[in-house]
Amino acid sequence: ETGVTQSPTHLIKTRGQQVTLRCSSQSGHNTVSWYQQALGQGPQFIFQYYREEENGRGNFPPRFSGLQFPNYSSELNVNALELDDSALYLCASSLRDGVYTGELFFGEGSRLTVL
Amino acid sequence: GQSLEQPSEVTAVEGAIVQINCTYQTSGFYGLSWYQQHDGGAPTFLSYNALDGLEETGRFSSFLSRSDSYGYLLLQELQMKDSASYFCALEGGYQKVTFGTGTKLQVIP
Repeated sequence: ETGVTQSPTHLIKTRGQQVTLRCSSQSGHNTVSWYQQALGQGPQFIFQYYREEENGRGNFPPRFSGLQFPNYSSELNVNALELDDSALYLCASSLRDGVYTGELFFGEGSRLTVL
Repeated sequence: GQSLEQPSEVTAVEGAIVQINCTYQTSGFYGLSWYQQHDGGAPTFLSYNALDGLEETGRFSSFLSRSDSYGYLLLQELQMKDSASYFCALEGGYQKVTFGTGTKLQVIP
């Protein structure tokens, strides 16, 4: 177990609705990255938060937004849900200050289904 | 941008050795990682190459050749529990990682 927890584990929404996903990073980590993983594909980088600031975004529209809190936990918000947003949303935590070992610590993910 | 290609599926026999290849296109990167993901589970880290050459971690080894834009993951003494998807991933700086297409490994008795 990585110590990264995500909630909820599963949820179902309808098109046009909004969703908030939550992530508690591993103790001591200051960086949270969010990934979208469609069925049968690799995780796609959405964005990263470092010390409460967005620090890089992948090829995702502005309706994907996020927050990082002083305790380094994070939220991913998706507005105006579309059917293609159905996916596993993964949170990964890491420590950016120091020697990078190549390891991201992933949570179990939130499975979103949009109907 | 960055792109990574892997074979979609590989089948190997329990106890054997299997190599999963990864070719990539990028304008620059810091290192190549490998992750394992069982169905319905979280990706878990296996190995990281910051430099060219071989890195060994127990039954798993990973190799990187920057001049060939190529890497591979070698799994030895295959076990049934190794059946999973394997992803190579490029670290582009500040721990922003681009994942490959993934290889589904099936281990058969």
